[in-house]
Amino acid sequence: SAVISQKPSRDICQRGTSLTIQCQVDSQVTMMFWYRQQPGQSLTLIATANQGSEATYESGFVIDKFPISRPNLTFSTLTVSNMSPEDSSIYLCSAKAPGNFNEQFFGPGTRLTVL
Amino acid sequence: TQLLEQSPQFLSIQEGENLTVYCNSSSVFSSLQWYRQEPGEGPVLLVTVVTGGEVKKLKRLTFQFGDARKDSSLHITAAQPGDTGLYLCAAPRRDSNYQLIWGAGTKLIIKP
Repeated sequence: SAVISQKPSRDICQRGTSLTIQCQVDSQVTMMFWYRQQPGQSLTLIATANQGSEATYESGFVIDKFPISRPNLTFSTLTVSNMSPEDSSIYLCSAKAPGNFNEQFFGPGTRLTVL
Repeated sequence: TQLLEQSPQFLSIQEGENLTVYCNSSSVFSSLQWYRQEPGEGPVLLVTVVTGGEVKKLKRLTFQFGDARKDSSLHITAAQPGDTGLYLCAAPRRDSNYQLIWGAGTKLIIKP
């Protein structure tokens, strides 16, 4: 299984600022994903990050607000732009595991609080 | 629209008791996964069930896929405090080769 790390693990930010979250995988993976999660609740997919192409965003999420980079097969970043308190959440990155079942490995998450 | 409904949403029981968590849908899935997430961590894959009627065991955890591949259950025998966490079921999205749909989760607390 892949080991995924995220930085920062948590941050407190002022409204109107931006935060970039980094996600590093210890092996090459084709698909990476960014999710948002309120504590104790399920996962909401923000976007799928493909290496060498633009990220694919889910309904309700736009590139201007959540720009994503995927410069190689082991790394991705998610930026939360022009933050408001409503952006306070846990942000998780994941990678698709090899195989046919769409299984995913997850990073530990970034807990973001916007004041 | 594919939906996965989990029940119960929240369960708090004493150590040593048994429990069952359910994941139901009106859709047929090619496979279904169960994840456990502990506070401050990301979800960790526990098991994938593929065949209708399949039963898989992971120590005190027993996972079953429904015969029609529309539902699944997770049974924990003699629950321990280390079983505490958020349990999520997930299944491949019909319109995607790589994405998942997720259940709402079951928050489980095992009291010592």
